[in-house]
Amino acid sequence: QQQVKQSPQSLIVQKGGISIINCAYENTAFDYFPWYQQFPGKGPALLIAIRPDVSEKKEGRFTISFNKSAKQFSLHIMDSQPGDSATYFCAASLRISNFGNEKLTFGTGTRLTIIP
Amino acid sequence: GAGVSQTPSNKVTEKGKYVELRCDPISGHTALYWYRQSLGQGPEFLIYFQGTGAADDSGLPNDRFFAVRPEGSVSTLKIQRTERGDSAVYLCASSPGQGENSPLHFGNGTRLTVT
Repeated sequence: QQQVKQSPQSLIVQKGGISIINCAYENTAFDYFPWYQQFPGKGPALLIAIRPDVSEKKEGRFTISFNKSAKQFSLHIMDSQPGDSATYFCAASLRISNFGNEKLTFGTGTRLTIIP
Repeated sequence: GAGVSQTPSNKVTEKGKYVELRCDPISGHTALYWYRQSLGQGPEFLIYFQGTGAADDSGLPNDRFFAVRPEGSVSTLKIQRTERGDSAVYLCASSPGQGENSPLHFGNGTRLTVT
């Protein structure tokens, strides 16, 4: 059962443009929503994350928008650069211990290509 | 500083064989996770360790899969009687294990191919 749905599967954006990737979740118990960036042959790396009590979080060119009532969140990459070309995964986290550790459920990924 | 190290980076084995995959977490990280990533998919949770104990192994697909972390640092994922469907990239991640939403630091994975 897929609990986090991600779209689009692939995305091509011109250099300098805005890249937008969308995710939707089902489980209202999720309490942490990170985005990961993955380059070929590498493990995923945390890009930015948001908690459900905040509607937007911005870090540099990367912004997460979060809509709790719609159970949706999105990643916006402003001024997209060729170096941003990678696969992006949204995730949702369910706390699994009192230590604050999280069990991540990932989306299926979006392959982003930035063309000059 | 050193990140999460996984060895080997690639492993090719024959169907029915036994394999061990090793993970060296970031020094001082008490939490360790194993995920499996199939081609074109996001990582799927397998097991989580807090210290030496497996706090959640609900993602292990069946009893052919087993993981240990005897001293609370290095972990080994063991797969018995491998099947072609086990072919995937096995990712290890660690986190400080303290405070809310401790971020996961992933290794580059072990690519397992079962022929």
